[in-house]
Amino acid sequence: DTEVTQTPKHLVMGMTNKKSLKCEQHMGHRAMYWYKQKAKKPPELMFVYSYEKLSINESVPSRFSPECPNSSLLNLHLHALQPEDSALYLCASSQGWTGMNTEAFFGQGTRLTVV
Amino acid sequence: LAKTTQPVSMDSYEGQEVNITCSHNNIATNDYITWYQQFPSQGPRFIIQGYKTKVTNEVASLFIPADRKSSTLSLPRVSLSDTAVYYCLARGNNNDMRFGAGTRLTVKP
Repeated sequence: DTEVTQTPKHLVMGMTNKKSLKCEQHMGHRAMYWYKQKAKKPPELMFVYSYEKLSINESVPSRFSPECPNSSLLNLHLHALQPEDSALYLCASSQGWTGMNTEAFFGQGTRLTVV
Repeated sequence: LAKTTQPVSMDSYEGQEVNITCSHNNIATNDYITWYQQFPSQGPRFIIQGYKTKVTNEVASLFIPADRKSSTLSLPRVSLSDTAVYYCLARGNNNDMRFGAGTRLTVKP
């Protein structure tokens, strides 16, 4: 199984709502990533978890709150978002072993629209 | 983390070989060169990775000269379905994985 599964595929939320994006992988990967991608732009790194610990936070606003409950799951909690946060949110995973440079597997993304 | 530079866009025709060059002048000793392909509204997909010389797999070849300051992704005999954005990353043995601007390849009939 080389899949990274993201749910939901589409999400429309109001600026006062609280919602969560979910990501799951069963490849035994120990590094998991969140990216934000606007139309016709490259994916922009937001957070990286390594062995369930947050290792990279790219100065993302606190209205985005990541969580890694276990090695297979990654959540992104959303609260009080702005319309400019509308984007494709991508999750990825890789083996994450120190000293190993391995390919990352990406999910299909969640298309988020903030109204 | 080495910065990468690629052409913004390229056009090709079906059946041609396409070579996309990536510049990474400040690549570190530990950095590997990795290429990803992305279709609209999908996550990027790994294509190929290398450290030096030439690497070939079933879909592409990757050429890296001795100084490793650049690399070339070669796609043999492209088809319409190869129309996508191609990203080059110079990545060390850690989990810091950032994308540059990418090259938008358009394959025409």
